[in-house]
Amino acid sequence: DVKVTQSSRYLVKRTGEKVFLECVQDMDHENMFWYRQDPGLGLRLIYFSYDVKMKEKGDIPEGYSVSREKKERFSLILESASTNQTSMYLCASSFEGRGNQPQHFGDGTRLSIL
Amino acid sequence: AQKITQTQPGMFVQEKEAVTLDCTYDTSDPSYGLFWYKQPSSGEMIFLIYQGSYDQQNATEGRYSLNFQKARKSANLVISASQLGDSAMYFCAMREGYTTDSWGKFQFGAGTQVVVTP
Repeated sequence: DVKVTQSSRYLVKRTGEKVFLECVQDMDHENMFWYRQDPGLGLRLIYFSYDVKMKEKGDIPEGYSVSREKKERFSLILESASTNQTSMYLCASSFEGRGNQPQHFGDGTRLSIL
Repeated sequence: AQKITQTQPGMFVQEKEAVTLDCTYDTSDPSYGLFWYKQPSSGEMIFLIYQGSYDQQNATEGRYSLNFQKARKSANLVISASQLGDSAMYFCAMREGYTTDSWGKFQFGAGTQVVVTP
């Protein structure tokens, strides 16, 4: 079974702090994704990476950056956390394949910015 | 523009009954994939079923089936014989092909909350 592991289940940080969310997958997937999930809005893509050191902006990249130095690890960085970044963050990975490959998700990180 | 629309924010269904969750999508790409995920209250996203745009038959996985109407751009999920454990949020998602600007990315709907009652 594919395992996608997010470093924290719950996280509380203060406004202005630099926040790191880590995600590791164990299936050698090319693609990795960071989403935020808010009630009524579904999942919104923050960033997407299709290879090591490669990244693409998603729908809501403002205030975030990412790092993918190794294939199995994809980090989301909040450069200067703000209260409107309080949300559930989900990491996912997928095999590139023929396009019929589903994403596999981590358990999510509930981040609160005070 | 919203590419995936789930018009039902929530619904109640009685145990052992079937339920249909609506999903419409918008794409001009002839090659795309449609996915359904389940998210229980614990938060993890569970992949349920996949339908490719070129698939001739509707996808089925156990109690889940996908009613794919390509001309209507509709991909409704049908859960047969609902169980209490089916109570969850359900998301429809689409992945477009390589000819589009959004290739590689998955677009999600807002979700439908299903509550199964005894």
